[in-house]
Order: sequence, then structure tokens, then C-alpha cells
Amino acid sequence: QKEVEQDPGPLSVPEGAIVSLNCTYSNSAFQYFMWYRQYSRKGPELLMYTYSSGNKEDGRFTAQVDKSSKYISLFIRDSQPSDSATYLCAMSAPKTSYDKVIFGPGTSLSVIP
Amino acid sequence: EAGVTQFPSHSVIEKGQTVTLRCDPISGHDNLYWYRRVMGKEIKFLLHFVKESKQDESGMPNNRFLAERTGGTYSTLKVQPAELEDSGVYFCASSQDPRRTGGGDTQYFGPGTRLTVL
Repeated sequence: QKEVEQDPGPLSVPEGAIVSLNCTYSNSAFQYFMWYRQYSRKGPELLMYTYSSGNKEDGRFTAQVDKSSKYISLFIRDSQPSDSATYLCAMSAPKTSYDKVIFGPGTSLSVIP
Repeated sequence: EAGVTQFPSHSVIEKGQTVTLRCDPISGHDNLYWYRRVMGKEIKFLLHFVKESKQDESGMPNNRFLAERTGGTYSTLKVQPAELEDSGVYFCASSQDPRRTGGGDTQYFGPGTRLTVL
């Protein structure tokens, strides 16, 4: 079993739709949860960052973490064509705040005008 | 402020040759990480520097890979000799010392070096 599972998609939605992206994980030691956005031929760009359980909102983006279910989500409201990218969930289990990041395989999203 | 930069952006070499990838982290970032994404797989951790010291190199695949960070600034990742399975995109990331920011280890990624071994 992989440490982080993520539906690779591709996911195609019309402009303005609400997008839901999800990941599950197996390591209960993970405490930091991140979502990265990666455009084609570019490096991952940090989108959202959450510590432990709960919700975090930033503009059209909302990240949710449910540690009891080992499940994290990213919601995109009023999706735009510019949101078309690969979305990577990532997490880490810092012992000294220096630990490595474990990535999911990414979900490819297309927002159709 | 400049982001993480990597050089070259692309490299095509033949099996058995040597390639050196370079990463310049964000100025002032003590932590530097190397990751790799091979075709169809997730991004995987290779190693982590804190300044010039290797903190964790558990992800390095074998002794054909050598990473250095002399002086605690830029880093190089050398593959010698390269094999076909080394093809992929190599990412570098950097982060501040979280003890200074009070937060977790937020990493900023470079654009990657696409390595093709023929």
C-alpha cells in the first residue's frame, strides 16, 4: 500500500464548477498537509498548507484535513480555466520540523471555458 | 526575490555518461532538498541538506548519485554513470529554518531539470 493515494484523474469540469480533490494516507504520524499546483513543465507551487486537522480557506480554495479518517481534501470554488493544472497533495511527519515531504501522484484537472 | 533556480532545464545524455545538475536555493534558506519524478510515478524525496550538511539521504537510489552543497549555498547532484532508469525530472526545493519562522517546513520548488538517458 502506498503511503499517499490520490485519484490521478483526469478530471474535466466546466468553468464555474466546484472542484473537489482528495487524498488518503496511511501514516498516522503525518501532521503537515499541503496542496501543490503544478503547471505543465513547471515546478510544484505551494497552494495551501495546513497543520493537523481542520479547515483552511484562502480565496476560492479551501483545504480540509480529517486525521481520524486519514483523508484530506481541496475544494476550488468558481473554477477558472487558469486552474487547469496537476494538483499534488503532500504531507510530512516532522520529528524535528525537518522531515521529507511525501507526495501523492497528482490529479490532472482541466477547467473548460 | 528570486525563486529556486535549476540548471540545466533539459539534459539528454547517453547511458554511461556523467551529468551534473545544479540548484540555487532562495537566498537565506538553510534547507535544500532534491526530489525526482520518474515517468508515471509520484515525486520522490532524494535527500536533504541543512546548510552544507546532509541531514537525510535515505532517498538516494544508489552510489551512482552524489550530492554536494559546498559552503551551504548552491547544490549539485551528479549522476555517474547514468543509466536508463535515471531518466526523469529532478526537482530542487528550499525552505527557511522553521525554528526562525515558527512554522513547518514550507518548501519552495524550482522548475526542475528534465533528464533523458538514451
